Amino acid sequence: EVQLLESGGGLVQPGGSLRLSCAVSGFTFSIYAMSWVRQAPGKGLEWVSAISGSGGTTFYADSVKGRFTISRDNSKNTLYLQMNSLRAEDTAIYFCAKDRVLGGGFNRGIDYWGQGTLVTVSS
Amino acid sequence: DIVMTQSPLSLPVTPGEPASISCRSSQSLVHSNGYNYLYWYLQKPGQSPQLLIYLGSNRASGVPDRFSGSGSGTDFTLSISRVEADDVGVYYCMQALQTPPVFGPGTKVDIK
Repeated sequence: EVQLLESGGGLVQPGGSLRLSCAVSGFTFSIYAMSWVRQAPGKGLEWVSAISGSGGTTFYADSVKGRFTISRDNSKNTLYLQMNSLRAEDTAIYFCAKDRVLGGGFNRGIDYWGQGTLVTVSS
Repeated sequence: DIVMTQSPLSLPVTPGEPASISCRSSQSLVHSNGYNYLYWYLQKPGQSPQLLIYLGSNRASGVPDRFSGSGSGTDFTLSISRVEADDVGVYYCMQALQTPPVFGPGTKVDIK
């Protein structure tokens, strides 16, 4: 059974930093690209970032480019999102998501989602 | 970026009756391999999204056959043949042809 478990969310002041983690199980982590998708309170879904299976290629939404860094540790089956210079508009539930297509390249289609972790940016 | 729109944004439904949601993209979602790179997700209340349909018309594993996806190019439809009470939630379409992947605004389905 595919499982994705996010952690690391919380309350942080504007300008602060936070590191999210996503521990996965139930599939061969290293051969799938992974994404982070967020959902502001009461709003829709916004793709944030993705990383190839090897970790060698990363992708970012313009809204987070230069502030967020996605990474992965395939030996620990864990995905990360380092978030710096946080803003009020980054407040959202952050979902970890698995690419549908195996092979490691970013195919943009998601088949499994975690339950999410809430990030609140407020003074 | 590709822009995704959905209609209606709110859809009251009657159990046992059919329902459909429209999704449109600002650019064709047909890949060079012939597939339409359009996905449908359902986010039930208090839950994370779940995959319903991939590549325009393929039901994901475990999805009841009352759900079907159709369309090509820029116009797509998600159809539910007979709505059940468990089908309530917000339905999103998403384009997966280009980076960044973009979601539609969502269609909230609830019971009349």
